[in-house]
Order: sequence, then C-alpha cells, then structure tokens
Amino acid sequence: DGGITQSPKYLFRKEGQNVTLSCEQNLNHDAMYWYRQDPGQGLRLIYYSQIVNDFQKGDIAEGYSVSREKKESFPLTVTSAQKNPTAFYLCASSRRGGTDGGYGYTFGSGTRLTVV
Amino acid sequence: GIQVEQSPPDLILQEGANSTLRCNFSDSVNNLQWFHQNPWGQLINLFYIPSGTKQNGRLSATTVATERYSLLYISSSQTTDSGVYFCAVHEWIRYSGAGSYQLTFGKGTKLSVIP
Repeated sequence: DGGITQSPKYLFRKEGQNVTLSCEQNLNHDAMYWYRQDPGQGLRLIYYSQIVNDFQKGDIAEGYSVSREKKESFPLTVTSAQKNPTAFYLCASSRRGGTDGGYGYTFGSGTRLTVV
Repeated sequence: GIQVEQSPPDLILQEGANSTLRCNFSDSVNNLQWFHQNPWGQLINLFYIPSGTKQNGRLSATTVATERYSLLYISSSQTTDSGVYFCAVHEWIRYSGAGSYQLTFGKGTKLSVIP
C-alpha cells in the first residue's frame, strides 16, 4: 500500500545534540512538507519541497535543516540551535499543485521528540 | 497570510449525539481540507472540499467559499470519533519568482465522545 513512513516514532535528544527525523513516501508525490505540533496547537510549517533538490523555509524554520536528494525522501534535522525542540513532528506529501489549486495532503504517523 | 479560526475549541458529546464544527477563514481559498487526528497523533484526511457538500457515512462537510466558512457535521457520534478535528486551507505562497501551495491550519476542535 502507498503511504508515508516516519521514523522513529519516539526520539530522545540530549541538550546540544543534532537529531535527524526520517520521512519516506511511495506515493510518487512531488511535494513534501514538515510540520511541528505543540500541545493544544495546530500544525505549523517548518520546511517544504516542491521538487527534488529544492526546498523552502516555512513559518518556523529557524533551528531546522532539510535535504531533498531523492523524490521519496525528505529528512528533517533538528539542530542544537533549536531552543525548544520538544514537540510532535509530522511529515506530509501531496501532488504538486498548480495555480488553479492544490491537491490533498497525506500525513505520516509522526515522530515525538523529547529533549532530556 | 490567511487566518483560520475553528469553533468550538472543545466539545463534549454523549454517544449518539450530533454536532457541527465550524471553520472560518479570512480570505479566498482554492481548497480546504478537514482532518481528524486520533489520540495516537495520526492525521486522517476526512474531506477535500473547496466548495459544496460532501458526505461520507456519518460525516458530511459543507464549504461556502463566497462566505469564507466550512462546516463539518458529525451524526450519531461514537467514542471512536474522539480526537481533534482540524480545518486547513490551501494558501498560494510566492517565492523566488515561483510559488506553491501551503496548508494553513486552524487550532482545531477537541472532541470527546463519552459513552
């Protein structure tokens, strides 16, 4: 079945460490996205990528980095510069939208990151 | 950017009751989605509904794009309907001479269905 796989489900990070969250999709979608969710809040966009080797900052990109070397993969690195990284991280993908409209998004099951 | 407001923020229902969730948005949008986030965090797409009405079992949604709102109806609620319901709109963002659609979320309605 086609879908999005995020790993790991739970991740613990020590202060000062960088950690990388994995996101893989086999839906043949061009566009991929990373969102952060804090308790009681909606989702906020960190980074997005419309095609391979191209990505753009979202609303809260500071302290995060991404790469898009393959269509299927869009890993997110949470760097030590991110002051409050404890949150739930969701990856999504969609077909690439045109000027007449976007397409529906599919989400992974998320990674819960905790700083210890 | 576009503002998305959802109401009510919290809702408690007795099993079997009906409910209506509302989503208001501040500007014209091309597309809108409703999601259900289950207690384990998984976001499930319920409806992709830029305008009009759609139904899927006990759930239905209506979007009135000209008046900038969407409604999600849940009938005969069950305990498995519990979770957070999000409305999200597709917003066109320009960058570097190009552009793309981004999904802007409301803060959600937390629904608790009690037996």
